[in-house]
Amino acid sequence: GENVEQHPSTLSVQEGDSAVIKCTYSDSASNYFPWYKQELGKRPQLIIDIRSNVGEKKDQRIAVTLNKTAKHFSLHITETQPEDSAVYFCAAFYTDKLIFGTGTRLQVFP
Amino acid sequence: GAGVSQSPRYKVTKRGQDVALRCDPISGHVSLYWYRQALGQGPEFLTYFNYEAQQDKSGLPNDRFSAERPEGSISTLTIQRTEQRDSAMYRCASSFTSAGYDEQFFGPGTRLTVL
Repeated sequence: GENVEQHPSTLSVQEGDSAVIKCTYSDSASNYFPWYKQELGKRPQLIIDIRSNVGEKKDQRIAVTLNKTAKHFSLHITETQPEDSAVYFCAAFYTDKLIFGTGTRLQVFP
Repeated sequence: GAGVSQSPRYKVTKRGQDVALRCDPISGHVSLYWYRQALGQGPEFLTYFNYEAQQDKSGLPNDRFSAERPEGSISTLTIQRTEQRDSAMYRCASSFTSAGYDEQFFGPGTRLTVL
């Protein structure tokens, strides 16, 4: 089965700095990799995703990169703002389900 | 439009009781997923429906857990003879199609506490 590892578990940055969260997956059959943001007490919400036929995707201040050979994918947030503070989950779509990482708690200090 | 809804939002029950958790997906969404999310952890897959068909139940922890979606819309997750270890947030999600790259929209969850 699929296993997704996520690092770091916590990340603190100064407002305006960049933040990078990394994930690895184990099964090359996975073909879709979404990232979810979960604010305290709220439901997870999709912020960006990437399919296995694409190496990079950007949406304003966020970007995701995928290295299929190494089975790595990463979330990059530039010019961080206090409202970016949340828990971020990576996931891999394997057969018919999403397998989630363990989450990264991002704190952006003003 | 309305998002995914779940009821009840909170459920406190005594060990040994049965509970039924309800999920209302976004209208027209074909696929429905159930997840369990422990505090500070990512959602853990439980089961998946495509229309009314339960396509994958590999994540259900044991035979006390069951789910149904009889008319291809609302779904119910039932836990029989609850145990304290069942305490968690139970979330459902729906997607427009069964294509793997379709966004899954999550519900607000039901927080289950078993005393």
